Amino acid sequence: AQRVTQPEKLLSVFKGAPVELKCNYSYSGSPELFWYVQYSRQRLQLLLRHISRESIKGFTADLNKGETSFHLKKPFAQEEDSAMYYCALSGSNYQLIWGAGTKLIIKP
Amino acid sequence: GAGVSQSPSNKVTEKGKDVELRCDPISGHTALYWYRQRLGQGLEFLIYFQGNSAPDKSGLPSDRFSAERTGESVSTLTIQRTQQEDSAVYLCASSFELGFYEQYFGPGTRLTVT
Repeated sequence: AQRVTQPEKLLSVFKGAPVELKCNYSYSGSPELFWYVQYSRQRLQLLLRHISRESIKGFTADLNKGETSFHLKKPFAQEEDSAMYYCALSGSNYQLIWGAGTKLIIKP
Repeated sequence: GAGVSQSPSNKVTEKGKDVELRCDPISGHTALYWYRQRLGQGLEFLIYFQGNSAPDKSGLPSDRFSAERTGESVSTLTIQRTQQEDSAVYLCASSFELGFYEQYFGPGTRLTVT
């Protein structure tokens, strides 16, 4: 079965501390993985995707096929990073399968 | 266009009534997607359109749900005989084409069935 798991509903860290948002997936084929973010009172938007291997707003995510993970990391959290973060997997039939989301709070 | 728009932004309806939710995608986007998000949960895929064709309707929760799209423009999601479990935020997204393109989301319609 295709599934995306984000084990943490809430993650709270201090400004300047490293951040890691966990995402694990279950998929039999070769997955395409994404991180979407929703800032307060804003729309859901793409943060980064596995295929492009880019760093956006200081965030990176590496696909680990052995551990079936796609964790999102940032070395030094900023207050503006506070938001809901969703990990999603693109399956074979153009569906995006979503994790339940992690609320990230950056404390000053 | 300015982005994906959805209407209404909020809808409160009585159990058993029909509701129609509207989505205006970004101009030129051929692919359109509908999702449902219940409180505290992730997004649940409902249906996608390529042009005005919806090849896979298996994500729709029941036969009370239907969706249509006019050409590569407006889409409507209709829920007949609404039930309390239909209460959720319904999100629409569009992308340039099907595949691994970025999906651009609308603000959502919050549906409350009383």
